[in-house]
Amino acid sequence: QSALTQPASVSGSPGQSITISCTGTSSDVGSYNLVSWYQQHPGKAPKLMIYEVSKRPSGVSNRFSGSKSGNTASLTISGLQAEDEADYYCCSYAGSSSLVFGGGTKLTVL
Amino acid sequence: QVQLVESGGGVVQPGRSLRLSCAASGFSFSNYGMHWVRQAPGKGLEWVAVIWNDGSNKYYADSVKGRFTISRDNSKNTLYLQMNSLRAEDTAVYYCAKESGYSYYLDYWGQGILVTVSS
Repeated sequence: QSALTQPASVSGSPGQSITISCTGTSSDVGSYNLVSWYQQHPGKAPKLMIYEVSKRPSGVSNRFSGSKSGNTASLTISGLQAEDEADYYCCSYAGSSSLVFGGGTKLTVL
Repeated sequence: QVQLVESGGGVVQPGRSLRLSCAASGFSFSNYGMHWVRQAPGKGLEWVAVIWNDGSNKYYADSVKGRFTISRDNSKNTLYLQMNSLRAEDTAVYYCAKESGYSYYLDYWGQGILVTVSS
């Protein structure tokens, strides 16, 4: 149950695109198309942004997209906006109904 | 609308126990698995435990196995987390979260409740 690996921080200017990586193992990310991404603003609960690697819940902007290759999943945010500044966490199914989260990535919009 | 409201947090001494509750509304509680996720101050999210919709199966993170017990009362639409032998490293905001029903993602979260383990 080791945490998935994410970069501690990423940054971009308004209008630009950024990508956050999430590296796991063949026991979690690599074995299942069950990666989800959550956005968390300071002092708030996490919010689901992407599920099943690349699907967006209703109400989430299409500027958010997800993908996966092998043991690494990625979240891309295009057309960065100030409101996107937050912490982002990936999460993968890890077998036996358990989940494993990434360490989190702080996104700064310059 | 879906609402999850945690309660029962507070300050507790190391080695003592605490029980968290999560009151659910706005969906058919008995049809969904439920999770607890925690976040230590300034740290990332850590999955804690899951219970199936009917309570028949429960799974735990290694860090809490043998000390924490997840349970539910479907007649009361309430999820619980019994925390025993608490340690300083259990200090965190604890969130209850609803599983989507498939695909193991968490579509709704409570606002979180702070548990502080300190002498």
